[in-house]
Amino acid sequence: LAKTTQPISMDSYEGQEVNITCSHNNIATNDYITWYQQFPSQGPRFIIQGYKTKVTNEVASLFIPADRKSSTLSLPRVSLSDTAVYYCLVASGSARQLTFGSGTQLTVLP
Amino acid sequence: DAGVIQSPRHEVTEMGQEVTLRCKPISGHDYLFWYRQTMMRGLELLIYFNNNVPIDDSGMPEDRFSAKMPNASFSTLKIQPSEPRDSAVYFCASRTGTGHEKLFFGSGTQLSVL
Repeated sequence: LAKTTQPISMDSYEGQEVNITCSHNNIATNDYITWYQQFPSQGPRFIIQGYKTKVTNEVASLFIPADRKSSTLSLPRVSLSDTAVYYCLVASGSARQLTFGSGTQLTVLP
Repeated sequence: DAGVIQSPRHEVTEMGQEVTLRCKPISGHDYLFWYRQTMMRGLELLIYFNNNVPIDDSGMPEDRFSAKMPNASFSTLKIQPSEPRDSAVYFCASRTGTGHEKLFFGSGTQLSVL
C-alpha cells in the first residue's frame, strides 16, 4: 500500500474554500485515491474517490495531477459542521484491506 | 438499508472481565473489517473476513482477542480477559467485493476497561 503524507491539522473560517493536499510519491499504476471524513464519535465516511484528473460530487472535488504523486481534496464554502478528520488513502482496486494514516484535523472557525 | 450496526454503543467493564462486541454488516456485503481507534495509534485494522472466513488476523494484538463470523449477517469481537489498555473505540466496517475500497463503517463501540 502506498504511503501517504498529509498535514496534521488545518484551520479555516466559515464560507472559505479548503484545500487539503496529500502526497503519495510511490503510488502504483493500479492505485486509486480515496478520501474519508470522520466526525467525533462516528466511524469514517467515504467522501470521494478518483484515479486521475478531477472528480466532483455533491460534497467535494478531488484534483489529481498527471503524475498522480499527490492529490488535493477541495471543500467549497465550509461550514462549522465540516470540522472533522480527513483521511487520504491510496490502494489498488484489488486491495483487500485499507490502512488509515493519521489524517488531517480540519477545524472550521466562525 | 440501516447501515452497519454495532452494539453496544458504550461498554464499561472491569479489568479481567470478558467483553463481546457485536456487528451486523450491510446486507450483501461480503467483506467485514474490525478496526480499533485510539489517540495514540489512530485507526488500526485488527482482522477482516471474506464470505465469513477470517482472511487476515495479523492486526489482532494478542491471544486475548478473538473474532468470529458465524454467518453473513453477524460478527463478534471478544476480549478475554480485558485489560485497561484495551480501552478504545472499536469499529466494524463492511463492503462489497467489487468496487474500489468504499468502506461503510458502523458508529463504533466505546470500550472502557477500568
